[in-house]
Amino acid sequence: SQQGEEDPQALSIQEGENATMNCSYKTSINNLQWYRQNSGRGLVHLILIRSNEREKHSGRLRVTLDTSKKSSSLLITASRAADTASYFCATDRVRGAQKLVFGQGTRLTINP
Amino acid sequence: EAGVAQSPRYKIIEKRQSVAFWCNPISGHATLYWYQQILGQGPKLLIQFQNNGVVDDSQLPKDRFSAERLKGVDSTLKIQPAKLEDSAVYLCASNHLRGVPYEQYFGPGTRLTVT
Repeated sequence: SQQGEEDPQALSIQEGENATMNCSYKTSINNLQWYRQNSGRGLVHLILIRSNEREKHSGRLRVTLDTSKKSSSLLITASRAADTASYFCATDRVRGAQKLVFGQGTRLTINP
Repeated sequence: EAGVAQSPRYKIIEKRQSVAFWCNPISGHATLYWYQQILGQGPKLLIQFQNNGVVDDSQLPKDRFSAERLKGVDSTLKIQPAKLEDSAVYLCASNHLRGVPYEQYFGPGTRLTVT
């Protein structure tokens, strides 16, 4: 079963704008990861945030985690056409098991 | 370092036929995963190996799906017989340490179409 639910399912913005995607999950987690998938390709890891962290940055990416609300957000600043892809959150619930449960994803389109 | 390799990239078969997918993980990665990704959905874990042992196969339809990882390196996933609902992308991923929250490295996937 899917653990996370991304919102929105699809997002279309102009190049240069910021894109925000949200992820909600149901059970307690050890960590939450975000992945990107370009059309016809495998997934690429973007960032991992542990359950005891509240915010993390990597380049133009900013991830927040609110364990009390069981939610996370991914912000991409100054978007580029190359950011067009699907973005998935994945939660790791069982310590040591390394088993990820993925959400349905947000399809992001950056218009030039 | 070389990434996760998968073959074939595409496969079209008729229902009730059998098919096999191959995956070679990144060198040194002890943990290997097979996922099924249906169009418009996120990946769903089918089976997880730690070296050549199965850690989790709770979502593998064992009446038709089988997987093995001989010698703890490359792996094959087989479907026999295939059904129309098996049409999906099959992704292989790997990472190297159990117990530590490391990222997973994904291959390009095999797109299966069952007609």
